[in-house]
Amino acid sequence: GENVEQHPSTLSVQEGDSAVIKCTYSDSASNYFPWYKQELGKRPQLIIDIRSNVGEKKDQRIAVTLNKTAKHFSLHITETQPEDSAVYFCAAMKGGTSYGKLTFGQGTILTVHP
Amino acid sequence: GAVVSQHPSRVICKSGTSVKIECRSLDFQATTMFWYRQFPKQSLMLMATSNEGSKATYEQGVEKDKFLINHASLTLSTLTVTSAHPEDSSFYICSAGPTGVYNEQFFGPGTRLTVL
Repeated sequence: GENVEQHPSTLSVQEGDSAVIKCTYSDSASNYFPWYKQELGKRPQLIIDIRSNVGEKKDQRIAVTLNKTAKHFSLHITETQPEDSAVYFCAAMKGGTSYGKLTFGQGTILTVHP
Repeated sequence: GAVVSQHPSRVICKSGTSVKIECRSLDFQATTMFWYRQFPKQSLMLMATSNEGSKATYEQGVEKDKFLINHASLTLSTLTVTSAHPEDSSFYICSAGPTGVYNEQFFGPGTRLTVL
C-alpha cells in the first residue's frame, strides 16, 4: 500500500520567517495530495491541495510543490504568524477503487514564535 | 464546502460496553465514507471504508468484529466499537466527499472516546 513520510516532525520559526514541510510518497499511482492543518481536538482543515497534473499551486501565503518523478511534495508557508502554529499533515490519495482513501504523513508540529 | 457531522462529540464509557458513533453528510449524498482513528500526538490512520448498501472494507489489522460499520443510507454511516477496552480510547473521525467533486474529502468534527 501507499506510504507517506513527512519531515520534520517539529519545526520552530520566528514570526515572519518561512516554514517548509516535506513529504515523500511511495505509490506512483497516487494523484491527489492535500495538506491539512489540525488544531488540538479539532478536525483536520484542508489548507491547500495539488493534483498530479500540476507542479505548483499557491494560495496567498501558502504554496505546495509536487515532483512526481521524485515522488515528493512540499508545503511552503511564508510570512508566518503565531496563528499558523498547529500540527500539519500531508496526505496522498489514489484513484480507482482507492478513491477517497487518504494515507497521512506523521505530522509536523509547527510553532511560530512572536 | 460540504458539511459532515458526527455524534457524539465526546463519550466516556466503562470497559466492556459498546459505543455507537454516527457520521452524517448534511448537504450531500455519500456512497462511501471513511473512518479514521487518531491516537494522541499521532497521525490519522484509516480504519475502514464504509460502503452504502454493502459491507465495509477494513484496513489490515483492524478487527471487523470489534468495529462494526453500517452504512444504511446515503447520508449516514455508523461505527460501533463493541466491548470497548481502554486501548480503544482514541479520537475517531469520519470523512466523506460529494459525488462528482474530484478528490476533496470533508471531515467530521471527530468523537473523543474514553474507555475507563
